[in-house]
Amino acid sequence: QVTLKESGPVLVKPTETLTLTCTVSGFSLSTAAMGVSWIRQPPGRALEWLAHIFSNDEKSYNTSLQDRLTISRDTFKSQVVLTMTNMDPIDTATYYCARVAGTVGATVDYWGQGALVTVSS
Amino acid sequence: DTVMTQSPLSLPVTLGQPASISCRSSQSLVYPDGNTYLDWFQQRPGQSPRRLIYQVSNRDSGVPDRFSGSGSGTDFTLKISRVEAEDVGVYYCMQGTHWPPITFGQGTRLEIK
Repeated sequence: QVTLKESGPVLVKPTETLTLTCTVSGFSLSTAAMGVSWIRQPPGRALEWLAHIFSNDEKSYNTSLQDRLTISRDTFKSQVVLTMTNMDPIDTATYYCARVAGTVGATVDYWGQGALVTVSS
Repeated sequence: DTVMTQSPLSLPVTLGQPASISCRSSQSLVYPDGNTYLDWFQQRPGQSPRRLIYQVSNRDSGVPDRFSGSGSGTDFTLKISRVEAEDVGVYYCMQGTHWPPITFGQGTRLEIK
């Protein structure tokens, strides 16, 4: 059974750095053609892809946010970590981690429950 | 980046009636391997998105057969043959052909009239 679970702070102040952890089970982060993405959703708005880490540890970022994002993993702990620097109230959103299957073509087959992060002083 | 455009953005439907959501991509989603990586997701109120359809027309396990996906190239459709109360929520299309980045449509909010 594949599961993903996000954890991290509920509230961060403007200019602070956000660190979110995604703990996965039911698959290995080093399994070929499996990776993990972070996707966010501001309240009442659409989904926005942020970053992805591939099974070979390659990374990819949303070009409009790449200066602020870092994705990494610990395969032994089955965890994927996203850091986002210089947080702003506009970054208030539910942050999801999701399993992405495929390499040449991608599909998002499993989602975490989401972590609501509010940016406010 | 590939832009995904859904219509309508709001969809009021009477229980038992059909519903249809359109999704158009800014470029063809056919990959050189011949596959088309277009998915549909349902997001019920307060829940995470759930995949309903992958590669245009393949229903996920446990998805009722009243949901169907069709289309090709740049034009895709999600149809619900008879809307039920549990279908209320927001529906998103997503392309995974020209990735990264993965891109989503704006979402279509389905409500019961």
